[in-house]
Amino acid sequence: QVQLVESGGGVVQPGRSLRLSCAASGFTLSNYGMHWVRQAPGKGLEWVAVIWYDGRNQYYADPVKGRFTISRDTSKNTLYLQMNSLRAEDTAVFYCARAPYVAVAGHYYYYAMDLWGQGTTVTVSS
Amino acid sequence: SYELTQPPSVSVSPGQTARISCSGDALPKQSACWYQLKPGQAPILVIYKDTERPSGIPARFSASNSGTTVTLTISGVQAEDEADYYCQSTDSSGTWVFGGGTKLTVL
Repeated sequence: QVQLVESGGGVVQPGRSLRLSCAASGFTLSNYGMHWVRQAPGKGLEWVAVIWYDGRNQYYADPVKGRFTISRDTSKNTLYLQMNSLRAEDTAVFYCARAPYVAVAGHYYYYAMDLWGQGTTVTVSS
Repeated sequence: SYELTQPPSVSVSPGQTARISCSGDALPKQSACWYQLKPGQAPILVIYKDTERPSGIPARFSASNSGTTVTLTISGVQAEDEADYYCQSTDSSGTWVFGGGTKLTVL
C-alpha cells in the first residue's frame, strides 16, 4: 500500500528539540522529492522544507531556516525533520508529502504534492 | 514575501457550481495546484499543473488559469465536497507557497 506515516510529535518545552519521522511504503523515497508542511491551530497550510529526490538540495521557509533540518535515510525509506530551538509558534500538525518531478533541460520541476501523510502534532509549551 | 490570495469562504447548495479563486503575481509563470483538506484527514491533491486532475479525483473537479488568477471549479457540488481548499504554487525563487485557504460550505 502506497502511504506515508508520520511519527515523533509530542509536547516539548520552548528551546528544546524534536525529530519527526515519515515512513514511506509502497514506493521508493529516493525517486521523489519530499516536503514537510505544517498547519498551526486555526491557521492554513504552511510549507516548511523540501529535499530533492537525490538528497543533494534542501530548502527551507524563512521562519524555520537555521533551526530545522530535513533529511532522509534511503535504507529505511524514511524522511526526517530535525527541529531545534523550538518556539511556541512552531505548534502545529506537521505533514510529510511526496513530490514528483519532471526534468527539463537539466532543471527539476517539483510540480505537486501528490501523497500526504495523516500528520503528527507538535505542541511547544512550557 | 510572495502571497497567494483566496476568499475565506464560499457557500453553495448541493448540485450547484462552486468556484474558488486564487490570485498571485507569479501565477502566469508558475503552475498551481489545489488541495482538499478535511478535519482529521490527510490533504488530497485535486488539481496539479494548473488544470490536470489526478487519477481518482472526480471529473466534477476542474480548474482554469487566466494570468494572475487560477480558479478551482466544482460542478454539481456534493455534500462530501465540504472541506477547506488550498491553492499552492512557487515564487520566483522557487519557494513553495500556499494560499490562505477557502472553506467550502455546502448548504
